[in-house]
Amino acid sequence: AQSVTQLGSHVSVSEGALVLLRCNYSSSVPPYLFWYVQYPNQGLQLLLKYTSAATLVKGINGFEAEFKKSETSFHLTKPSAHMSDAAEYFCAVSDGVGYSGGGADGLTFGKGTHLIIQP
Amino acid sequence: GAGVSQSPSNKVTEKGKDVELRCDPISGHTALYWYRQSLGQGLEFLIYFQGNSAPDKSGLPSDRFSAERTGGSVSTLTIQRTQQEDSAVYLCASSSRGFLYNEQFFGPGTRLTVL
Repeated sequence: AQSVTQLGSHVSVSEGALVLLRCNYSSSVPPYLFWYVQYPNQGLQLLLKYTSAATLVKGINGFEAEFKKSETSFHLTKPSAHMSDAAEYFCAVSDGVGYSGGGADGLTFGKGTHLIIQP
Repeated sequence: GAGVSQSPSNKVTEKGKDVELRCDPISGHTALYWYRQSLGQGLEFLIYFQGNSAPDKSGLPSDRFSAERTGGSVSTLTIQRTQQEDSAVYLCASSSRGFLYNEQFFGPGTRLTVL
């Protein structure tokens, strides 16, 4: 079984400050890891994904995440927060095996972190 | 359109009524997923389809929930005899077998309110 823990249901940072959203996972097999963002009244949008090609993953909107196997972590960072970054962020894990090995299985999501940007 | 679409965007129903939620995946995507997002439970995976087949239905919350997919495209999630605890946002996502890393593209969701 796989699981995801996001530390902090709410994170508040000042505009221009570093953003750090924490994600720890547990998986019985090498995982595929994802960060999604959800703006109010919208669906989820993929920010970035880890698929074992590189431990430091760069995504859209200046976000990046580093896979650390020893810490079972995949924390999301952005050097300088912008007001438009205010949203809900979800970390998700997949074992990538799924039905017939085609990688089609459900994602397991963390509870989400609401990012607040202070002016 | 280019993305996943869902209808209706909002649905208000009375307790005990049946509802149908529809999902149109991205054209050519063979895998389709349903999730439920609620305040108390976060994002829960419900079911997925590979083509028209759903190999595992254990994620559906109860036997009042069912889902089908026809023609490898549109999917319908049906909730019978709705209860207040069914109130949530129901999200649909699709992915292509070509995406080996299970990248899922999400629709905007259907907000279901059971009175």
